[in-house]
Amino acid sequence: ETGVTQSPTHLIKTRGQQVTLRCSSQSGHNTVSWYQQALGQGPQFIFQYYREEENGRGNFPPRFSGLQFPNYSSELNVNALELDDSALYLCASSPVTGNTGELFFGEGSRLTVL
Amino acid sequence: AQSVSQHNHHVILSEAASLELGCNYSYGGTVNLFWYVQYPGQHLQLLLKYFSGDPLVKGIKGFEAEFIKSKFSFNLRKPSVQWSDTAEYFCAVILNTGFQKLVFGTGTRLLVSP
Repeated sequence: ETGVTQSPTHLIKTRGQQVTLRCSSQSGHNTVSWYQQALGQGPQFIFQYYREEENGRGNFPPRFSGLQFPNYSSELNVNALELDDSALYLCASSPVTGNTGELFFGEGSRLTVL
Repeated sequence: AQSVSQHNHHVILSEAASLELGCNYSYGGTVNLFWYVQYPGQHLQLLLKYFSGDPLVKGIKGFEAEFIKSKFSFNLRKPSVQWSDTAEYFCAVILNTGFQKLVFGTGTRLLVSP
């Protein structure tokens, strides 16, 4: 177990709806990243939060947004859902924000958009 | 754009066979390299990493990887696989972006038959 927990584990939405995914980071970790893993693909970086601010973003549109709270937990929000948003969303925490690449992943939230 | 290529999408081996999974990356600058593993029903976890120094790095569970700069490769090896090595393996690089942006390959699904 990594100590990173995500909720919900599975959910189904329809196109155009909005979704919020939640993540509790491992104790002592102040950096949270979110990744999208489509079927048959590797995880793709969405964004990273450090000290409650977004400090890095991948090639995802603005309808993907996030928050980090003072206790370092985080949310990923996706508005105006599209069919291609169907994927496993992974949260990862790290004790540092630099280039160490040593991330501790949760088990993911599987989103299906119909 | 930076990318990571994993040559084999599916590999099937018998126990005690040797394993080599290929990984190539396209990025001209300094990179840190990783192999992550996802066992069935579990979270993604770090198997081994290369930052600098000895290009042959050893990870958990008898795995090792060799960084060959001239070939932009970071192949994963294990002399004798076990049934418990059945998993999906992801090669990843982290770029010098100042934040934890891992770029993953598409993964190799390994099945070890007893």
